[in-house]
Amino acid sequence: VMTQSPVTLPVSPGERATLSCRASRSVRYYLAWYQQKPGQPPRLVIYDTSTRATGIPARFSGSGSGTEFTLTISSLQSEDFGVYYCQQYNNWPLTFGGGTNIEIK
Amino acid sequence: EVQLLESGGGLVQPGGSLRLSCAASGFTFNKYDMSWVRQAPGKGLEWVSLISGPGDATYYDDSVKGRFTISRDDSKNALYLQMNNLRAEDTAVYYCANRGGLTGSLSFDYWGQGTLVTVSS
Repeated sequence: VMTQSPVTLPVSPGERATLSCRASRSVRYYLAWYQQKPGQPPRLVIYDTSTRATGIPARFSGSGSGTEFTLTISSLQSEDFGVYYCQQYNNWPLTFGGGTNIEIK
Repeated sequence: EVQLLESGGGLVQPGGSLRLSCAASGFTFNKYDMSWVRQAPGKGLEWVSLISGPGDATYYDDSVKGRFTISRDDSKNALYLQMNNLRAEDTAVYYCANRGGLTGSLSFDYWGQGTLVTVSS
């Protein structure tokens, strides 16, 4: 089970956002983060805990290992608002967290 | 440009069947694992099933095991999901997703736009 917190995160543009993801058992470093906006499919942001996907700006960073993971957006831009999901791919079944909705404060 | 185009969704009665398709282009289809991920209205993402690149291994979430069958036709660059004995809780947008096509890792790198399945009488 993947547990994300907080469920909702109000953030002002330019502020830092920190999202957490906890696994019920170790997933080593096999964790990804996805961004989803309304009416769109998810988009890969971070894979293997800390590697940015192609085209993802440097303000996005990921960290952690084992059971505790963090996605940090250093200075939130308007295009960063949306729901973020973590997903582990170390164990079967593959599982997603419940999501964190970053909304405009 | 990578494209994943799902089709086959629609309205079906409880207990009915539906077959989803995903047409892939822009990458070497037979090299990569492919998966179905669904999202119920207003809810989060839920992994459904995965088939390995060679097609010799399949995996399912317990919620669909025994009812859904994933398959692929590499000659057509196509992924399928046969859904039988559908239940109201299967109502969702179903996404086709490629694993590793961009990163070489095991994340879901490319996603289709999704197809909506509604199970209702």
